[in-house]
Amino acid sequence: DAEITQSPRHKITETGRQVTLACHQTWNHNNMFWYRQDLGHGLRLIHYSYGVHDTNKGEVSDGYSVSRSNTEDLPLTLESAASSQTSVYFCASSESMDTQYFGPGTRLTVL
Amino acid sequence: QKEVEQNSGPLSVPEGAIASLNCTYSDRGSQSFFWYRQYSGKSPELIMSIYSNGDKEDGRFTAQLNKASQYVSLLIRDSQPSDSATYLCAVNPRGSTLGRLYFGRGTQLTVWP
Repeated sequence: DAEITQSPRHKITETGRQVTLACHQTWNHNNMFWYRQDLGHGLRLIHYSYGVHDTNKGEVSDGYSVSRSNTEDLPLTLESAASSQTSVYFCASSESMDTQYFGPGTRLTVL
Repeated sequence: QKEVEQNSGPLSVPEGAIASLNCTYSDRGSQSFFWYRQYSGKSPELIMSIYSNGDKEDGRFTAQLNKASQYVSLLIRDSQPSDSATYLCAVNPRGSTLGRLYFGRGTQLTVWP
């Protein structure tokens, strides 16, 4: 069955380190999204991509970057992790202006 | 600013009752609307989508859309304890680039036996 996976599921890192969160989908969807979810803020969009080599900033993109070299993967990089980036990160994909399917999430703690 | 507002709750209803969840949005030209359910510690999953004014029913769930009032709601009939979760309203506004959604902060629902 087609699916969307994220790794790692849990990550603890230190302030200032570079961290990369992986997202892989097997639906062959063109659209992929990264969100963070924090208490009191709901889901906030970090970056998104509508296809290979396409990337766009969302509402909370500072300190994050993405690259899209193939259809299946959209890794999210925190260039220099900060405590404010402690959060739960969700990746999602969609084919059209419609349903987004979410991955299981990555819980990131920055100490 | 494209805002999506939900009552944060918590909303508590007895088993078998109707749970009513509400959402308002700021962009009058919004085209598509979604309700996601999120269990604690899990990822959001889509339960309903609606695109035109009126009601859309799927089993125990009914989504209602009123574009004139910029209002979308979700009714859960015969609520079960397994419906206890946070419900997220999401909107794809007019002018939003393809597929981008704006989410409300969610309403926490508890169904007690």
